[in-house]
Amino acid sequence: DGGITQSPKYLFRKEGQNVTLSCEQNLNHDAMYWYRQDPGQGLRLIYYSQIVNDFQKGDIAEGYSVSREKKESFPLTVTSAQKNPTAFYLCASTFRGELFFGEGSRLTVL
Amino acid sequence: ILNVEQSPQSLHVQEGDSTNFTCSFPSSNFYALHWYRWETAKSPEALFVMTLNGDEKKKGRISATLNTKEGYSYLYIKGSQPEDSATYLCAFRVKTSYDKVIFGPGTSLSVIP
Repeated sequence: DGGITQSPKYLFRKEGQNVTLSCEQNLNHDAMYWYRQDPGQGLRLIYYSQIVNDFQKGDIAEGYSVSREKKESFPLTVTSAQKNPTAFYLCASTFRGELFFGEGSRLTVL
Repeated sequence: ILNVEQSPQSLHVQEGDSTNFTCSFPSSNFYALHWYRWETAKSPEALFVMTLNGDEKKKGRISATLNTKEGYSYLYIKGSQPEDSATYLCAFRVKTSYDKVIFGPGTSLSVIP
């Protein structure tokens, strides 16, 4: 089955540690996105990539980094510089304007 | 700042009731309006994509309307069932160099058997 796979589903980290969230897709889509969800707010765009080896900052990129070395993969690193990293993170790809989502990763900073 | 609002924030209805909720979005720079259904522990799933003023879409018991001039869309569920329990997201797509999509905070629907 084609789709987007995110891992891990749940992650705990201590303050000051970097953590990387994985996002893999087998849909052959060019564009991929990372969103963050906080209670009572809409999904907010962190980073997006329209093509391999290229990515752009979204609305809330500070404290995050990404890479796009392969079409299938778009990992997100939450760095120690992110002041409030506890959140739910969703990865997505697009095809003809429609977003396809993973099941998300919930990060909790202890 | 482009903002998308949804109301109500949450809704509890009895099985068999019909219900509706609202998405409000900017009336300028409109490209498309999406509705997604998001069940707990699953991926958001696309329900409708609406692009033209006056659009009406239907899928089973769920339908949606679009008014781009005044900047709102309604989602209707007829005869709610427990399996309709989910968060319903609307997303406003702006025409830019990439697929810029602005999400509302969602309406959480609980259908009580």
